[in-house]
Amino acid sequence: DTGVSQDPRHKITKRGQNVTFRCDPISEHNRLYWYRQTLGQGPEFLTYFQNEAQLEKSRLLSDRFSAERPKGSFSTLEIQRTEQGDSAMYLCASSLSGVEAFFGQGTRLTVV
Amino acid sequence: DQQVKQNSPSLSVQEGRISILNCDYTNSMFDYFLWYKKYPAEGPTFLISISSIKDKNEDGRFTVFLNKSAKHLSLHIVPSQPGDSAVYFCAASGVGYQLIWGAGTKLIIKP
Repeated sequence: DTGVSQDPRHKITKRGQNVTFRCDPISEHNRLYWYRQTLGQGPEFLTYFQNEAQLEKSRLLSDRFSAERPKGSFSTLEIQRTEQGDSAMYLCASSLSGVEAFFGQGTRLTVV
Repeated sequence: DQQVKQNSPSLSVQEGRISILNCDYTNSMFDYFLWYKKYPAEGPTFLISISSIKDKNEDGRFTVFLNKSAKHLSLHIVPSQPGDSAVYFCAASGVGYQLIWGAGTKLIIKP
């Protein structure tokens, strides 16, 4: 499978714990995006990488959120001190040069 | 503020008929519009796009129309098939690197 891969698919965590998600983009894609989606809404942009450089961050990305893309390949999104409001689907997408982004299946986070 | 709006939360269409999904936007800086399809428990799948310099783009059963003066676009699916049942999202680009999304329309194709 050469699509965007996200791990884990599901994560249940207790409030206050830290969680980390991983995204492996399509191999030749230099652009990588993180989005968050809650029920009944469209995805909301979190952050964007071009190769290893983080070029854009949404104001939604509080200090508890951090994303990295070392060496311009896979990316991680970490949420520290999780809150119930962080419960959502976290989507990763990648693209080569056009605006069409290709999405992974997402990581469903539930904070209890 | 919602820059991209999909005002119909759901739409039910008979199999074989035309499905028309609508999307309105407010930001005239948007230069590209996309439609994505999403099945439950999966990520969105790219369907079709249109540049702001065009008014129509067609790909098989799918056609997207753009009316810039009205800030409105629509997705036509002809003929509708049971596998088209999904949530359809309209998205726009042109403000930074992000896509700005509508809330989605759930399309139900009745046999």
